[in-house]
Amino acid sequence: GAGVSQSPSNKVTEKGKDVELRCDPISGHTALYWYRQRLGQGLEFLIYFQGNSAPDKSGLPSDRFSAERTGESVSTLTIQRTQQEDSAVYLCASSLASAITYEQYFGPGTRLTVT
Amino acid sequence: DAKTTQPNSMESNEEEPVHLPCNHSTISGTDYIHWYRQLPSQGPEYVIHGLTSNVNNRMASLAIAEDRKSSTLILHRATLRDAAVYYCILRRSGSARQLTFGSGTQLTVLP
Repeated sequence: GAGVSQSPSNKVTEKGKDVELRCDPISGHTALYWYRQRLGQGLEFLIYFQGNSAPDKSGLPSDRFSAERTGESVSTLTIQRTQQEDSAVYLCASSLASAITYEQYFGPGTRLTVT
Repeated sequence: DAKTTQPNSMESNEEEPVHLPCNHSTISGTDYIHWYRQLPSQGPEYVIHGLTSNVNNRMASLAIAEDRKSSTLILHRATLRDAAVYYCILRRSGSARQLTFGSGTQLTVLP
């Protein structure tokens, strides 16, 4: 079946511009996660959505970052007034609520370059 | 989630078995041991998980020490496509929360 998809695959933007990154999770997956991975580094958690519960925003690095999720489907990560340090691959993952161990399925990521 | 410790890098020859170790001395009784891997330029992918007993699936085997303070991911015959960063992660049973990735083990497979 279809996996997690993300768009765009690559985004180049000028410093100070706003960007929106999109994630389409696997159908039926109620949990959705955003991570960031800077070049040569590990994954950093950003935000977590679970069904209709309030999202866990504890990983967002600043108030320039926000995310929304429409029901149990698409999510959008927005970065306002982008800075060069925002350059990274942004990864989205989803998982089933009924899975005991909640395996996460990752998308291919969006590579963001801020010039 | 409890902390895990892995070697930074390992090498293996193609078509030979690979044993990737992970230490998790502070593991609790309800923590599952998960392994994910990240191939170059891709998002991480789930490999295997276990609680107490050894586990096998089409990708790998997971050997868990009797005291659960360490585990080993076993790739029975490494291929060039297995070159990736392998992450050992502990997840509390019933927790759907985010994964906490460490630095993982960079596996290089030599032809």
